[in-house]
Amino acid sequence: RKEVEQDPGPFNVPEGATVAFNCTYSNSASQSFFWYRQDCRKEPKLLMSVYSSGNEDGRFTAQLNRASQYISLLIRDSKLSDSATYLCVVRGSARQLTFGSGTQLTVLP
Amino acid sequence: DAGVIQSPRHEVTEMGQEVTLRCKPISGHDYLFWYRQTMMRGLELLIYFNNNVPIDDSGMPEDRFSAKMPNASFSTLKIQPSEPRDSAVYFCASSLDRGQLYTDTQYFGPGTRLTVL
Repeated sequence: RKEVEQDPGPFNVPEGATVAFNCTYSNSASQSFFWYRQDCRKEPKLLMSVYSSGNEDGRFTAQLNRASQYISLLIRDSKLSDSATYLCVVRGSARQLTFGSGTQLTVLP
Repeated sequence: DAGVIQSPRHEVTEMGQEVTLRCKPISGHDYLFWYRQTMMRGLELLIYFNNNVPIDDSGMPEDRFSAKMPNASFSTLKIQPSEPRDSAVYFCASSLDRGQLYTDTQYFGPGTRLTVL
């Protein structure tokens, strides 16, 4: 079993749609959680951290359920520029990050 | 401010040749990470350094791979001899330890796209 599992998609949604991505992690000792975004042929970039109480950044909402070891990302009012691969990322007590394989999103005009 | 700098951006070589990838982390960052990304295996951590000292190299695939960090502003990842299965995008990332688990994040370089023929 992979440490971080994501639905690979692809998700193809129209502009303005709401889309949700899910992620599960296997290490219950994981301490912090992130969503990264990776555009085609580019490097991963931090989208947002995921806090235990859930957090929002504009159109993006992240949720964490430690009991279920489950992380989600909700994107409201999708824009064409949201098209990318979204990577679920988990960190344990050490400094290294464990990346999920990513969920590909295409927002269609 | 300059981000993480990697060179070369693209490398095409023949099987058996030595390949050296280079990375300059963000100034002041004390952690440096080397990753490899392929379609099949996704993004994998190869090795990371703290204050120029290798901390965990358990992700290095085999003895053909080696990494060094001679000073705080430079690191290399060497593959000798290279094989076609080493073809991938190699990313370098750096971070600063401020003791903030939720906000201490890694900044990635643009990557080196390696093709071994």
